[in-house]
Amino acid sequence: AQSVTQLDSHVSVSEGTPVLLRCNYSSSYSPSLFWYVQHPNKGLQLLLKYTSAATLVKGINGFEAEFKKSETSFHLTKPSAHMSDAAEYFCVVSALSMFSGGYNKLIFGAGTRLAVHP
Amino acid sequence: GAVVSQHPSWVICKSGTSVKIECRSLDFQATTMFWYRQFPKQSLMLMATSNEGSKATYEQGVEKDKFLINHASLTLSTLTVTSAHPEDSSFYICSPRMASGRAVDYEQYFGPGTRLTVT
Repeated sequence: AQSVTQLDSHVSVSEGTPVLLRCNYSSSYSPSLFWYVQHPNKGLQLLLKYTSAATLVKGINGFEAEFKKSETSFHLTKPSAHMSDAAEYFCVVSALSMFSGGYNKLIFGAGTRLAVHP
Repeated sequence: GAVVSQHPSWVICKSGTSVKIECRSLDFQATTMFWYRQFPKQSLMLMATSNEGSKATYEQGVEKDKFLINHASLTLSTLTVTSAHPEDSSFYICSPRMASGRAVDYEQYFGPGTRLTVT
């Protein structure tokens, strides 16, 4: 079965410092992995996705994540945090589902709340 | 990017009544619709999956007679919470999927969510 574990429920950084949000996955086959961001009162937005191409994935707003099979990790990073990055971040793995007719029944991690301080 | 709307954005209802939530994909056709529920400070949990014109498939533990899903067209899906109770209070999020090319490339989008409070 597929699953994801987000290792930190809360992360707090100062503006301009690096961001690291950790995610480990479990999958019996080569997974597709995603990071989504959820701002208050807004829909989930896709930051980036890994689908067995390059292991270093670049996303929007300066975020990137590296797929490390040996460590079963897919950590999200950003070199310099901005106040507008404060939000809830979800690491997501796709799972095969006969019912959805395709590849992506998405399984969400518990989420990491990122706080950015001036 | 794709635009997904949900209506209403929030609703308060009395226990025992039914509430309908609409989800529309405004600029694309959604062959598959996913409905999620998110309790406060928790993650999203998949409730059910529906393909246009077919009956929805529900996840384990989700009552199909309580959460009625209709996916009558490629741009509209509805979730009706029947005989709502306070424990049904939650944030409900629809997620239409646009199919194109390889299955692994399917793009899944999310609505802004509907906050339901049952008193």
